[in-house]
Amino acid sequence: DAGVIQSPRHEVTEMGQEVTLRCKPISGHDYLFWYRQTMMRGLELLIYFNNNVPIDDSGMPEDRFSAKMPNASFSTLKIQPSEPRDSAVYFCASRRRESNYGYTFGSGTRLTVV
Amino acid sequence: DQQVKQNSPSLSVQEGRISILNCDYTNSMFDYFLWYKKYPAEGPTFLISISSIKDKNEDGRFTVFLNKSAKHLSLHIVPSQPGDSAVYFCAASANFGNEKLTFGTGTRLTIIP
Repeated sequence: DAGVIQSPRHEVTEMGQEVTLRCKPISGHDYLFWYRQTMMRGLELLIYFNNNVPIDDSGMPEDRFSAKMPNASFSTLKIQPSEPRDSAVYFCASRRRESNYGYTFGSGTRLTVV
Repeated sequence: DQQVKQNSPSLSVQEGRISILNCDYTNSMFDYFLWYKKYPAEGPTFLISISSIKDKNEDGRFTVFLNKSAKHLSLHIVPSQPGDSAVYFCAASANFGNEKLTFGTGTRLTIIP
C-alpha cells in the first residue's frame, strides 16, 4: 500500500496563475478530504467527497477554489486565480467508512504564491 | 469559529518526564476524539483515539483523558522521548467518527535531551 499520494510536493507560482494540486487516495477508501494547514487556523477542511461525490464544500474559501473527483483513484484541487494569501500546505486524506482510526494523510503540497 | 482549540502553541519537556497536551472543544455533538502527530514535511499520522463513552484510553506510553462535562481532553506521554518531538493535533468528530474531523491548531512539542 503506497498510501495517499500527492503531487507536486512543492509549488511556487506567481499571483494570478492557475494552480492544480493532485491526489491519489488509498485504493478501497470511500472518503477523500482536502485540508489546508496554516499557522492561524491549523488544519481546516476545505471539501470532502464520498464515493466520488462532493458532500461538503462549505470550507472552500471562495469561488477561486474548486475540487473534482472524476473517479475513485484521483482528485484535484484547483485555485484560479491564485493569490499570495493562498500560500499554505494543502493535505489530501482518505479513509474507509468502517475505520475508527480517522484519516490517512498524504505528505502535502507546499504552495507558495508570490 | 474554532470548535476545537489547542491554546498552547508550543511546549518543551525534559526527556523522561511527562508531556501533557491539552485540547478544548465547544461542539457538544462531538463524540469521538483523536490525536494526530505530525513531523516536518510529512502528513499527520493517527496516534490515539477515544470515544465519548470512555474517559480514558491507553496505548503504551500514550494516554488520552476525556472530561465531557468540561469539554476537555488531554494527551499524556510518559516517559517523553526525543522522537516525540513533533506537532500534535487534536481532532473531533460527531457520530462516533463517521462524520468529518475538525482539527485544532496544533501544539509543537519539543523534548529536550
